[in-house]
Amino acid sequence: QKEVEQNSGPLSVPEGAIASLNCTYSDRGSQSFFWYRQYSGKSPELIMFIYSNGDKEDGRFTAQLNKASQYVSLLIRDSQPSDSATYLCAGPLGNQGGKLIFGQGTELSVKP
Amino acid sequence: GAVVSQHPSRVICKSGTSVKIECRSLDFQATTMFWYRQFPKQSLMLMATSNEGSKATYEQGVEKDKFLINHASLTLSTLTVTSAHPEDSSFYICSARTQRGNTEAFFGQGTRLTVV
Repeated sequence: QKEVEQNSGPLSVPEGAIASLNCTYSDRGSQSFFWYRQYSGKSPELIMFIYSNGDKEDGRFTAQLNKASQYVSLLIRDSQPSDSATYLCAGPLGNQGGKLIFGQGTELSVKP
Repeated sequence: GAVVSQHPSRVICKSGTSVKIECRSLDFQATTMFWYRQFPKQSLMLMATSNEGSKATYEQGVEKDKFLINHASLTLSTLTVTSAHPEDSSFYICSARTQRGNTEAFFGQGTRLTVV
């Protein structure tokens, strides 16, 4: 059974610091991973996706994928209070594109 | 970007009644849509895959007769919760994949269902 695991937190960082969110997955064959941000009571919004080993940067966000270790992470630089949310890691569920299995989410709190 | 609209955003219904939730892709055609459910403080769990013009595929443990899915067109999928009970109260979210076959999925705004 495929699994995606996250530390549920809460993770608290001061404003301006780097927030590091981690995720592990069980299916070695998984090729793509997604990071979603979800504010309380709202639907998830896609932050980044990553297919290749290594780092992918987009603004203040960097996703890292290590397929050998089955590990994916999200770094948020210069954290802002508006980044406070639950961050969901997701991997593919089956071979059908768009069908996802989610981790339990990590709650991030950025303190002013 | 791809826009997915879900309606209603909130609904309160009496136990035993049925509720229909709509999911529309506004600026693209979606041959496949997905329905998720999220209980408080928990993650999203896939309920079913909605395929245009064919029957939905349900995940293990999801009752297909209780959660009726109809994907009548390339831009609309509906989820009907039949004979709703308080334990069905949850946040229901749809997502859609573009026809390009990308693995990205775009989410609707979600529907907060409360059964009283």
